[in-house]
Amino acid sequence: DTGVSQDPRHKITKRGQNVTFRCDPISEHNRLYWYRQTLGQGPEFLTYFQNEAQLEKSRLLSDRFSAERPKGSFSTLEIQRTEQGDSAMYLCASSLSQDRAYTFGSGTRLTVV
Amino acid sequence: DAKTTQPNSMESNEEEPVHLPCNHSTISGTDYIHWYRQLPSQGPEYVIHGLTSNVNNRMASLAIAEDRKSSTLILHRATLRDAAVYYCILRFPSNDYKLSFGAGTTVTVRA
Repeated sequence: DTGVSQDPRHKITKRGQNVTFRCDPISEHNRLYWYRQTLGQGPEFLTYFQNEAQLEKSRLLSDRFSAERPKGSFSTLEIQRTEQGDSAMYLCASSLSQDRAYTFGSGTRLTVV
Repeated sequence: DAKTTQPNSMESNEEEPVHLPCNHSTISGTDYIHWYRQLPSQGPEYVIHGLTSNVNNRMASLAIAEDRKSSTLILHRATLRDAAVYYCILRFPSNDYKLSFGAGTTVTVRA
């Protein structure tokens, strides 16, 4: 068990560019969650999956954001046409089932310049 | 949705106990009380959870009031590595037990 891995750890991009982040959950976990965290705030829920099915998307997830979890394994979060307001830490978590503890990754810090 | 209220910050001396309060006056019978903490530059990590009875694990203890409208996370002997933001969160079946974070309590430990 190597925990939840996120890649990259840091990303600097120019406004208007597209970015994609990857999350590798703990292998036996069927739930996968994405959160966003800005400085001084708690993490905000974005979306989550059970296996490959995306169960819910927060209203924070505009149409520029898309997440996938093909085959119920790793997940990607893509942001198109990035804006400065997208600068944040993007956190991924997984859990064995809906009521079990989450294990978080260390996050991807995005800076849009 | 049930919500929690925590102090913004608390300070402690190393090797002394820390008692972190959390109010959840609108809690319902099926809501679990969870605590996570977030160390600097890391993702949150699970600390402890409970429903009605007090709970202990290797990291902390959780004391739940009899009416369940408040709880206290107890770190028995704070170390410098316990400096973090501590989040008290209610998890409940109607939102599929998702974690919803507030601002948490920032704990500072003095050497």
